[in-house]
Amino acid sequence: NAGVMQNPRHLVRRRGQEARLRCSPMKGHSHVYWYRQLPEEGLKFMVYLQKENIIDESGMPKERFSAEFPKEGPSILRIQQVVRGDSAAYFCASSPPGLAGRNEQFFGPGTRLTVL
Amino acid sequence: EDQVTQSPEALRLQEGESSSLNCSYTVSGLRGLFWYRQDPGKGPEFLFTLYSAGEEKEKERLKATLTKKESFLHITAPKPEDSATYLCAVGDQKLVFGQGTRLTINP
Repeated sequence: NAGVMQNPRHLVRRRGQEARLRCSPMKGHSHVYWYRQLPEEGLKFMVYLQKENIIDESGMPKERFSAEFPKEGPSILRIQQVVRGDSAAYFCASSPPGLAGRNEQFFGPGTRLTVL
Repeated sequence: EDQVTQSPEALRLQEGESSSLNCSYTVSGLRGLFWYRQDPGKGPEFLFTLYSAGEEKEKERLKATLTKKESFLHITAPKPEDSATYLCAVGDQKLVFGQGTRLTINP
């Protein structure tokens, strides 16, 4: 049973380029979460999605960041016009359908974004 | 706003030397307390969920306990492979994480 998959594992972008991070949840999981871990900082919640719906995006920066979880295919975290401060590890997590808060979130290996 | 504070920031133990990690939390209503283990360069690995004061869970050399204000992760007779950063989080769909405790077990 494959775990949460993220790709790419490492991504290098120059300032002003776009970054696209992909996440495939565990089989049977329909809830997806994105977190960011800045160097020497803790994990910070960004967004919570279900299929075709953004449920909570309270942790997303207001500009340049967007997320989607289409009916088919992986969840995508998109960062437009990247800046050096976007350099971080981005983690995706998933949980099965059901009562939120009674289901653990399982994390992927992360995508390490470096902005030059 | 939910808050989580973990202590100590770092802990070095000798193999076999038992100890405890602390997670203090402030929440408007506890919807779950989660412990994760994170190795360098990897994603957090789920360990335990606790929902109510008095609850305890065990897995191998690890035991997690919960009170109304804090949780402890007890490590009994640790081995070098237990070296990792241990993260505590509270919430439901939006998890709030502490800064973690970096645990090093020397052989």
